[in-house]
Amino acid sequence: NAGVTQTPKFQVLKTGQSMTLQCAQDMNHNSMYWYRQDPGMGLRLIYYSASEGTTDKGEVPNGYNVSRLNKREFSLRLESAAPSQTSVYFCASSEARWGSGSGRGNEQFFGPGTRLTVL
Amino acid sequence: DQQVKQNSPSLSVQEGRISILNCDYTNSMFDYFLWYKKYPAEGPTFLISISSIKDKNEDGRFTVFLNKSAKHLSLHIVPSQPGDSAVYFCAASLWWTGTASKLTFGTGTRLQVTL
Repeated sequence: NAGVTQTPKFQVLKTGQSMTLQCAQDMNHNSMYWYRQDPGMGLRLIYYSASEGTTDKGEVPNGYNVSRLNKREFSLRLESAAPSQTSVYFCASSEARWGSGSGRGNEQFFGPGTRLTVL
Repeated sequence: DQQVKQNSPSLSVQEGRISILNCDYTNSMFDYFLWYKKYPAEGPTFLISISSIKDKNEDGRFTVFLNKSAKHLSLHIVPSQPGDSAVYFCAASLWWTGTASKLTFGTGTRLQVTL
């Protein structure tokens, strides 16, 4: 049981290059998320997918696109990387269900992160 | 606008003593709160949570207290151990909306437990 896995662990890009960050979870969770962590800023939500087939913007979506490929996989794409996108990116998943209202399943489980540098 | 605030960037505590990490929030609609622990070069790991219908939740050495009127929560670690040295993030969510559990994180407090 690997939990949440992310690839790659490290990446260096030049301004204008594109890349896709991959994320997969084996916990059969419905919801998946992409965050970025910057010094002094905590974790900020980029995009999320409440369930397979749906995606929505989070707090800082500009410059990113996502794909919920299936229930297990949620990828984050940078079409034209900018130095401002230098950050550590975390993928997460949770068993949250739309409308369940119980409060349980709010816990998100995080991957190990991808450290991205854009020169 | 920072809706979840951790005003202490760092905290140093002696081994065996109590560590108290604080978190304030501004959105009174938040109804579920979580603490995460993060070691360097790893993803955050879930530690403990509390629903807004409670004011205390315990799990072993970790206790979270919620004061809704003050919009304040705290994490108590007793006794503190060197392995507790990490960055601790407070997070809050709006579960009542029925959407995925979007979390709003604080900026983190770095805890150092000294021998």
